[in-house]
Amino acid sequence: KNEVEQSPQNLTAQEGEFITINCSYSVGISALHWLQQHPGGGIVSLFMLSSGKKKHGRLIATINIQEKHSSLHITASHPRDSAVYICAVHHTQNYGGATNKLIFGTGTLLAVQP
Amino acid sequence: EAGVTQFPSHSVIEKGQTVTLRCDPISGHDNLYWYRRVMGKEIKFLLHFVKESKQDESGMPNNRFLAERTGGTYSTLKVQPAELEDSGVYFCASSQDTAGRMHYEQYFGPGTRLTVT
Repeated sequence: KNEVEQSPQNLTAQEGEFITINCSYSVGISALHWLQQHPGGGIVSLFMLSSGKKKHGRLIATINIQEKHSSLHITASHPRDSAVYICAVHHTQNYGGATNKLIFGTGTLLAVQP
Repeated sequence: EAGVTQFPSHSVIEKGQTVTLRCDPISGHDNLYWYRRVMGKEIKFLLHFVKESKQDESGMPNNRFLAERTGGTYSTLKVQPAELEDSGVYFCASSQDTAGRMHYEQYFGPGTRLTVT
């Protein structure tokens, strides 16, 4: 079992739909990333959060540290949102600037159809 | 400001050959990470540099992989000799040195797609 699990693995939506992607993790973390990768493109960081909720445009990310769960929501989805969305956690082994590697989920492939 | 760059973007080599991947982090970023995605799997951590020092190399798969960051600027990842299972996309990321903070945002390069035939 992966330390970071995402669901669903694949998601097809119609333009305008509200989309939710979920991420659960089993390790201790200091922060969680939501990343986006368009086909053939690089990885872009959408959010980094350690508590509560963040919003950027049509994207909203929430995290519940006690439940070890995060969600990424996309409101009014658009075909240009089609991409792989990746959840990654900072697995902190030491504090004070020591190693802070990311552990990744397998990603959710989102296709938004017009 | 230039982002993280990686070279080459693609590399196709035969089993047993040597390949060297290069990563140029964002200027001023002390932290540099190497990651790899093998086909169908999640991205996995390889190692972490702080300046020229290896902070964590727990993800390096075996001694055929050698990473260096002389001078604390760009980094190279050499695979010698390459095996079929080394095929994948190798990502580099960098972040600022934020002493006292527990976590910081990482900026990713476009990746190098390595194919070993």
